[in-house]
Amino acid sequence: GEDVEQSLFLSVREGDSSVINCTYTDSSSTYLYWYKQEPGAGLQLLTYIFSNMDMKQDQRLTVLLNKKDKHLSLRIADTQTGDSAIYFCAESIGAPRDTGRRALTFGSGTRLQVQP
Amino acid sequence: ETGVTQTPRHLVMGMTNKKSLKCEQHLGHNAMYWYKQSAKKPLELMFVYNFKEQTENNSVPSRFSPECPNSSHLFLHLHTLQPEDSALYLCASSQDGTSGNTIYFGEGSWLTVV
Repeated sequence: GEDVEQSLFLSVREGDSSVINCTYTDSSSTYLYWYKQEPGAGLQLLTYIFSNMDMKQDQRLTVLLNKKDKHLSLRIADTQTGDSAIYFCAESIGAPRDTGRRALTFGSGTRLQVQP
Repeated sequence: ETGVTQTPRHLVMGMTNKKSLKCEQHLGHNAMYWYKQSAKKPLELMFVYNFKEQTENNSVPSRFSPECPNSSHLFLHLHTLQPEDSALYLCASSQDGTSGNTIYFGEGSWLTVV
């Protein structure tokens, strides 16, 4: 079955690096995503990684994927107070044209608190 | 600006009311989704529409009735809801066949059932 798990809370100091972790159970995941949700807002796509990659970097964000352990992480360098939000890990299973299974399965989200 | 617009942003309704949530996407996508987000559960997929046809109904109670008149618009009709249906309802869209199946979300509609 599909299950995505994340720790619920992370607190860091401004300027430090944040690492948010996620584990998933379905080895057939094709794409893995990170979304950010600020208070009162919808989900904003941050980045995604294809399952045949092990790392992707985009400015302050680094995504690491360990397929063997089914572990995904999001590293935010030089964390700022504006990074305070809930971060969701999500997986997509099946081929892009497999409409029956294309929707994402989300974790419960990690609340990142950045202290000044 | 996400390209996916939801209205109303906030809705309070009684258990006997009938109301609708509206979603419009300006991204030229061909798939649209309804998700439910509540304090007690992770994001739950409710419905998927692809080219206006419903391709997934994730065991959603019949008091929630989706409608997709075209690939740009999606509605969620609400009738005889329960207090436990109070949640944030998120609409999303994607383009079938593109790499990443990237799904873009609206800002959500906060629903309170009293």
